[in-house]
Amino acid sequence: QKEVEQDPGPLSVPEGAIVSLNCTYSNSAFQYFMWYRQYSRKGPELLMYTYSSGNKEDGRFTAQVDKSSKYISLFIRDSQPSDSATYLCAMTPGNYGQNFVFGPGTRLSVLP
Amino acid sequence: DAGITQSPRHKVTETGTPVTLRCHQTENHRYMYWYRQDPGHGLRLIHYSYGVKDTDKGEVSDGYSVSRSKTEDFLLTLESATSSQTSVYFCAIKAPSGNTIYFGEGSWLTVV
Repeated sequence: QKEVEQDPGPLSVPEGAIVSLNCTYSNSAFQYFMWYRQYSRKGPELLMYTYSSGNKEDGRFTAQVDKSSKYISLFIRDSQPSDSATYLCAMTPGNYGQNFVFGPGTRLSVLP
Repeated sequence: DAGITQSPRHKVTETGTPVTLRCHQTENHRYMYWYRQDPGHGLRLIHYSYGVKDTDKGEVSDGYSVSRSKTEDFLLTLESATSSQTSVYFCAIKAPSGNTIYFGEGSWLTVV
């Protein structure tokens, strides 16, 4: 079992839809959780960053962490064609080992 | 813009030749990382550095070496390139506050 699992997709939705992207993990030491967006042939770009359990909202994006279930989600409201990208979840215990572990990514296409 | 420059951005090389990729940061951050990204595997850590001359191995370090003689530069060397090292290589830095990392634009390496 991989340390971080992510729905592989690809996922296609119509413009304006609500998108749910999810990751599960096995290491209970993870405390910090991130979502990155990666456009084709570009580097990953930090989208959301959360600490421990709870929700965090930033515009059309909401990140949700449930540490008891070892499950994190990214919700995109009113999805736009410009949201078409690969989304990577990432997490770290936050210690000095600096072990950042990434999911394999979910490719999202938002169709106009 | 995370202030990270990777060079070269694209390279084709022959099996058995040494290759060096360079990562340059303008932010003077302590932690720097080299990842490779492959379909089905996502981002995997090759090596990271926590200061000048201080480096450590990651998940997929075999066949790679690194050096950091200055804070701003982190070099990744493929000692004798193999076809299995054809990949996209990303450099990343960790911001001093928070537990997140920021990526460069990537170096596409093809070993023929």
